[in-house]
Amino acid sequence: GDSVTQMEGPVTLSEEAFLTINCTYTATGYPSLFWYVQYPGEGLQLLLKATKADDKGSNKGFEATYRKETTSFHLEKGSVQVSDSAVYFCALSDRGGSYIPTFGRGTSLIVHP
Amino acid sequence: DVKVTQSSRYLVKRTGEKVFLECVQDMDHENMFWYRQDPGLGLRLIYFSYDVKMKEKGDIPEGYSVSREKKERFSLILESASTNQTSMYLCASSLGAGGVSYEQYFGPGTRLTVT
Repeated sequence: GDSVTQMEGPVTLSEEAFLTINCTYTATGYPSLFWYVQYPGEGLQLLLKATKADDKGSNKGFEATYRKETTSFHLEKGSVQVSDSAVYFCALSDRGGSYIPTFGRGTSLIVHP
Repeated sequence: DVKVTQSSRYLVKRTGEKVFLECVQDMDHENMFWYRQDPGLGLRLIYFSYDVKMKEKGDIPEGYSVSREKKERFSLILESASTNQTSMYLCASSLGAGGVSYEQYFGPGTRLTVT
């Protein structure tokens, strides 16, 4: 079946540091890929997405590129802020099959001033 | 602006009570989902629905039931609440067969405590 693996946290960074959160996937079909963010005490919200190979999703300074050859969708940001502290979830939806997405376990990011 | 709302942000119930969690979406989405979220376990799917009156079990349906009488509303029911059902409950919706990317839209969550 489909699966998503993302790096365990917490990831702790100083403000203005570079961020990478790794995400790799396995899928039987041709999935769409997503990053969701969950701020403390809130539900998840879509951060960015990519629907085909080599697509780059971007939003709020975050970006991720759909790499089919390495089955990866790593999240990056050049300069993090304290307000980016949250839990980040990588996910996939296999358009050829179920409506149910597959989520990674989530990676907690803590940014210190 | 698209919106998924949940009836309560915080809820405290006693063991054995019947508990209703309500979720409403205003995006005319076919699919709706209930998850629970616990530290270290990520998101676990309880039930989902792909159409009115249709439902499918997720990964952890035991102790829960659902109801979808209208397209915009999806209810989660704890028939007899137990302490191990203390958790954060998240509702989500997404487009159905006509959609391309199946991204989900989440509500703010209900933190349920069963004492």
